[in-house]
Amino acid sequence: EVQLVESGGGLVQPGGSLRLSCAASGFTFSSYAMTWVRQAPGKGLEWVSGVSGSGGSTYYADSEKGRFTVSRDNSKNTVYLQMHSLTAEDTAIYYCAKCGSYSPESRPTDWGQGTLVTVSS
Amino acid sequence: QSVLTQPPSASGTPGQRVTISCSGSSSNIGSNTVDWYQQLPGTAPKLLIYYNNQRPSGVPDRFSGSKSGTSASLAISGLQSEEEADYYCAAWDDRLKGWVFGGGTKLTVL
Repeated sequence: EVQLVESGGGLVQPGGSLRLSCAASGFTFSSYAMTWVRQAPGKGLEWVSGVSGSGGSTYYADSEKGRFTVSRDNSKNTVYLQMHSLTAEDTAIYYCAKCGSYSPESRPTDWGQGTLVTVSS
Repeated sequence: QSVLTQPPSASGTPGQRVTISCSGSSSNIGSNTVDWYQQLPGTAPKLLIYYNNQRPSGVPDRFSGSKSGTSASLAISGLQSEEEADYYCAAWDDRLKGWVFGGGTKLTVL
């Protein structure tokens, strides 16, 4: 059974940084791309970033380019999202999801329960 | 403002058939397949339909999807109260090089 457990969320001041982690189990981690999707309170889903199975290819939504960095450690079955220069607009539940194949262009198929990031002074 | 356009709400009575539309453009729905996600209140999204009309194992055949040109739709027949949820369409966008979602449709079972 696929299990994805996000951590690292919390309260951060505007302009601050935060690193989210997502620990995966139940599948061959390095064979699948991983993606991050966020959901602001009461709003819809917004794709944030994706990383290929090897970590060699990464994709970002335009609004996050230059501020967010996605990476993975296949020896630890963990994917990360490093976030900088956070603003109130980044306040959201951040979901980690396993993609359907090695490429980040494949659909998210299994989702974690999410971790809440709140940007506020 | 979402790249894919969905109606914000839909409703139906138990047993009824409801459809939810999703409109996009040539760079997303027009050139890639469409997926649908169901998000029950307070939970993470769940893949409901992939490749326009395929159901993952465990999804009842009362759920069906279709696509034509730059639009897609999700149909739910024999509506049940436990299917009251938010539904999102999604597709890869070749121009943006990323996944795009619809704004979500809140389905109410009356």
